[in-house]
Amino acid sequence: DARVTQTPRHKVTEMGQEVTMRCQPILGHNTVFWYRQTMMQGLELLAYFRNRAPLDDSGMPKDRFSAEMPDATLATLKIQPSEPRDSAVYFCASGLVRLARGEQYFGPGTRLTVT
Amino acid sequence: DAKTTQPPSMDCAEGRAANLPCNHSTISGNEYVYWYRQIHSQGPQYIIHGLKNNETNEMASLIITEDRKSSTLILPHATLRDTAVYYCIVTLLGGGATNKLIFGTGTLLAVQP
Repeated sequence: DARVTQTPRHKVTEMGQEVTMRCQPILGHNTVFWYRQTMMQGLELLAYFRNRAPLDDSGMPKDRFSAEMPDATLATLKIQPSEPRDSAVYFCASGLVRLARGEQYFGPGTRLTVT
Repeated sequence: DAKTTQPPSMDCAEGRAANLPCNHSTISGNEYVYWYRQIHSQGPQYIIHGLKNNETNEMASLIITEDRKSSTLILPHATLRDTAVYYCIVTLLGGGATNKLIFGTGTLLAVQP
């Protein structure tokens, strides 16, 4: 049963530290998404990639967030420096764009707490 | 902003059908209706999607009105494990489309024993 995996599952860090979250999309999927979920804002799209190329990162604070796909099996989301307002659950999702389908498969999320 | 409107919460008795409504009056001709759900502390899970015809799969049925301005997700025999937030999302399909999902606040379905 293919699944999206995310590491770490939980991260507690101090304000100002760098945070790196990793995602392994389902093998063969060509689109990877990063979402953030908070109680106040709900689920928000931060960025997404198609065939490893960034398509849209307009949802990310550019000064501190960066998203990359070094290869087809790894996507990363970095926050530097982290701030308390970044505390949230970060979800990665992957999908395969093809005719008549197009659903996304979500990972279990990384729960980030910045103190 | 989300293009859909859903009731914030609903209750359903275990074993009964759960009917979750969604309004999407501004849907355009090439947009699909997708349903996802999120069980507490998990990532969202795809349920079903449709364009204009009614759809059914092993999880649920999707009924879309003829004018496509609203739809209903039906869980035929709700169980306690179906307690979750259900999101109705309007988006373009695959191919050259983006598949961006704009989540609204969803409907919290509470299945009661």
